[in-house]
Amino acid sequence: EPEVTQTPSHQVTQMGQEVILRCVPISNHLYFYWYRQILGQKVEFLVSFYNNEISEKSEIFDDQFSVERPDGSNFTLKIRSTKLEDSAMYFCASSAGRALGGYTFGSGTRLTVV
Amino acid sequence: AQTVTQSQPEMSVQEAETVTLSCTYDTSESDYYLFWYKQPPSRQMILVIRQEAYKQQNATENRFSVNFQKAAKSFSLKISDSQLGDAAMYFCAYRSSGLSTSGTYKYIFGTGTRLKVLA
Repeated sequence: EPEVTQTPSHQVTQMGQEVILRCVPISNHLYFYWYRQILGQKVEFLVSFYNNEISEKSEIFDDQFSVERPDGSNFTLKIRSTKLEDSAMYFCASSAGRALGGYTFGSGTRLTVV
Repeated sequence: AQTVTQSQPEMSVQEAETVTLSCTYDTSESDYYLFWYKQPPSRQMILVIRQEAYKQQNATENRFSVNFQKAAKSFSLKISDSQLGDAAMYFCAYRSSGLSTSGTYKYIFGTGTRLKVLA
């Protein structure tokens, strides 16, 4: 069964450093998403992306965040200057379209900012 | 704004028994979708079951079924004949029927219920 692949599974970075989280969505999917889950809290929507543009973003997704689909295969989330509170699990997801089928999620990247 | 509440942080069930996980939500919308996702230790979130709000019939997928009470805004998940592989975090999620102009949509998740299955 097709999978959404996220790398790395765990990343440790120093506060203030830039970090890029990588995702390879399912190849025929058109819609892409990032969510995050701070330890012990709910999973929260960050951003959706379609046709090389941000479709929708949450209040969390401020100027330090950006997303990109650099090569038609990868979908990346960049955090420009990490803060301690950015420590969380970040999930990438993709979907084929507007169908009810739901997303396919990746296994997540655990980001630890020290 | 819509909210999803899962009031049971942790539940335990004996293997082969039945367990029900609770979820309530709040919305002013009349048309929407509800989901249960499972997150095993591998961390990938897997869709378990979904329910369209306009359907009165409760969704069923093999050993998984829901009790959807629209008026009460309740959406519980029943797992029958529990298996060790059912041990996971379970998230209830809400999705509005509306889409963004580009066709994307977003979930609103609850805080999850950790299910332990005892051998």
